Amino acid sequence: DTAVSQTPKYLVTQMGNDKSIKCEQNLGHDTMYWYKQDSKKFLKIMFSYNNKELIINETVPNRFSPKSPDKAHLNLHINSLELGDSAVYFCASSPSGRTYNEQFFGPGTRLTVL
Amino acid sequence: QKEVEQDPGPLSVPEGAIVSLNCTYSNSAFQYFMWYRQYSRKGPELLMYTYSSGNKEDGRFTAQVDKSSKYISLFIRDSQPSDSATYLCAMSRISSGSARQLTFGSGTQLTVLP
Repeated sequence: DTAVSQTPKYLVTQMGNDKSIKCEQNLGHDTMYWYKQDSKKFLKIMFSYNNKELIINETVPNRFSPKSPDKAHLNLHINSLELGDSAVYFCASSPSGRTYNEQFFGPGTRLTVL
Repeated sequence: QKEVEQDPGPLSVPEGAIVSLNCTYSNSAFQYFMWYRQYSRKGPELLMYTYSSGNKEDGRFTAQVDKSSKYISLFIRDSQPSDSATYLCAMSRISSGSARQLTFGSGTQLTVLP
């Protein structure tokens, strides 16, 4: 019954590799997000999609490419991984039509680049 | 200077204490204010939200917003060991779009000692 799920939970890889993280939500939400949380717990938005359309694209290296095959899925592909990409990546989703923004977060993917 | 500043702690209190967590912000366009709780190795979950200035109470939790001072607080009464977590403040502007971009504080790590 997981609302927002991410795979994998842990990802350890070498510098220069390409990797993907998958996210799925079963809440029926229209909007999905990717966040990066660094070692100091600072959570920063990377991307947001609404109904498969990119609507927020923060200053993120173009090695990061989000893909939304449908409104329940938002995947993150990272090319040429660097040491500084090590962080926890969170997927989130939110419903449309509300005045405030309640975002539901997944459990996170802990990425370690060696 | 970050748009949202939050004392990272760590903060340790005895069980039953009143806890006060605070954030300051610099952008007067922020209108929605939220507190998220994040347990270790988990995703953030929404605790409280408020719109504009004022207080909001939910059980042992009270959220307070002072827009004139650009200062928000979360009070936890009768704190319990299960409240031990990182508390993140978050805020967003009014937007007609479908995605509300959240700006997070860096989080305060709280430990409630039994």
